[in-house]
Amino acid sequence: DVKVTQSSRYLVKRTGEKVFLECVQDMDHENMFWYRQDPGLGLRLIYFSYDVKMKEKGDIPEGYSVSREKKERFSLILESASTNQTSMYLCASRLEGAGRETQYFGPGTRLLVL
Amino acid sequence: ELKVEQNPLFLSMQEGKNYTIYCNYSTTSDRLYWYRQDPGKSLESLFVLLSNGAVKQEGRLMASLDTKARLSTLHITAAVHDLSATYFCAVGRMNRDDKIIFGKGTRLHILP
Repeated sequence: DVKVTQSSRYLVKRTGEKVFLECVQDMDHENMFWYRQDPGLGLRLIYFSYDVKMKEKGDIPEGYSVSREKKERFSLILESASTNQTSMYLCASRLEGAGRETQYFGPGTRLLVL
Repeated sequence: ELKVEQNPLFLSMQEGKNYTIYCNYSTTSDRLYWYRQDPGKSLESLFVLLSNGAVKQEGRLMASLDTKARLSTLHITAAVHDLSATYFCAVGRMNRDDKIIFGKGTRLHILP
């Protein structure tokens, strides 16, 4: 059974703090994704990675960076948290290749920036 | 730029009725996903559609894909209260370095 885990379910940080959100998958997936989910806006892609040390910007990368040093781990970094980054953050992973297209999501991290 | 539009965004319906959620997308795509999300929970994969004319069914839900029209539908047959949730469609391409883009979701509320 595929498992995608995120380091925290709930997080409270102050404006200006550096925030790390960790995501780990245990099924050797090539692709990993970070989304944020806000009411009325659905899921918006922040960054994704299709291989170790590779990263691609999604639709809303401003204010975020990512790190993928190992295949199983994809980190989202808020260099200087701001109140407009209060959101639910969802990590996902996916295999590549025919018959293995399903994208699996982690439980989410609800971040509050004060 | 790849855009995904779902409609309706909100749907309230009676148990036992049929209804369809529509998902339109703007550029050529190889794969179309449908997800379900319960309040406070993460997303659960329902269907992945890969080719024109693909149809998949699970219980009271059936998804179809028309790649020429760039349209997917999620049809609900004889709705029951347990199907109340938010349903998302998402679109991607086969290239490994391509992203998956989501629609805004359809919040479905089924009244007993």
